[in-house]
Amino acid sequence: EVQLVQSGAEVKKPGESLKISCKGSGFTFSSYWLGWVRQMPGNGLEWMGIIYPGDSDTKYSPSFQGQATISADKSISTAYLQWGSLKASDTGMYYCARAMIVGGIEAFDIWGQGTLVTVSS
Amino acid sequence: DIQMTQSPSTLSASVGDRVTITCRASQTISNWLAWYQQKPGKAPKLLIYKASSLESGVPSRFSGSGSGTEFTLTISSLQPDDSATYYCQQYYSYSTFGQGTKLEIK
Repeated sequence: EVQLVQSGAEVKKPGESLKISCKGSGFTFSSYWLGWVRQMPGNGLEWMGIIYPGDSDTKYSPSFQGQATISADKSISTAYLQWGSLKASDTGMYYCARAMIVGGIEAFDIWGQGTLVTVSS
Repeated sequence: DIQMTQSPSTLSASVGDRVTITCRASQTISNWLAWYQQKPGKAPKLLIYKASSLESGVPSRFSGSGSGTEFTLTISSLQPDDSATYYCQQYYSYSTFGQGTKLEIK
């Protein structure tokens, strides 16, 4: 079965660091672009950026450039989203998703279940 | 950034109605547009890609059309299970989502 499984919910304080993960299975992980999407409480979807695990080529939305870092380890079929210093405004649900075509930045056909990040003092 | 604007923001319709949601791009995106359905507490689900291609397993009452800057998602005969929020997404230049349309069943 093709799937993406994300790490569990996190509760952090402002200023703390965090790295969440997204593990793929059932497909050739290194051949598909993997994206991250934020959904703040009660709000819509925001495209943060995308990575090609095959060579770690990464593209960020201008709105998220410098706010978080996307990385991947193709040897363990896992993509990551990390923050060096969290802010309360980073609170939200974070989804990883797979682009549907090998090698192309396309629509997302497979989604992880989401990781809820709560940042509060 | 390419901006995507959906209308309406909310929509209430009855079972059996034909429903149309519009998405406009701030510049041409050819047909690089997708539509998603999201239900509360769930991840989004891909419905339509390349503006008019139906994703496998999606009911045929869903259809998409348009190219350039104006696109529509149509539900030909609304069903109770279609209550959800719908998003468009452009992937012509990186990617951006529309703000969403919440569809309620009367």
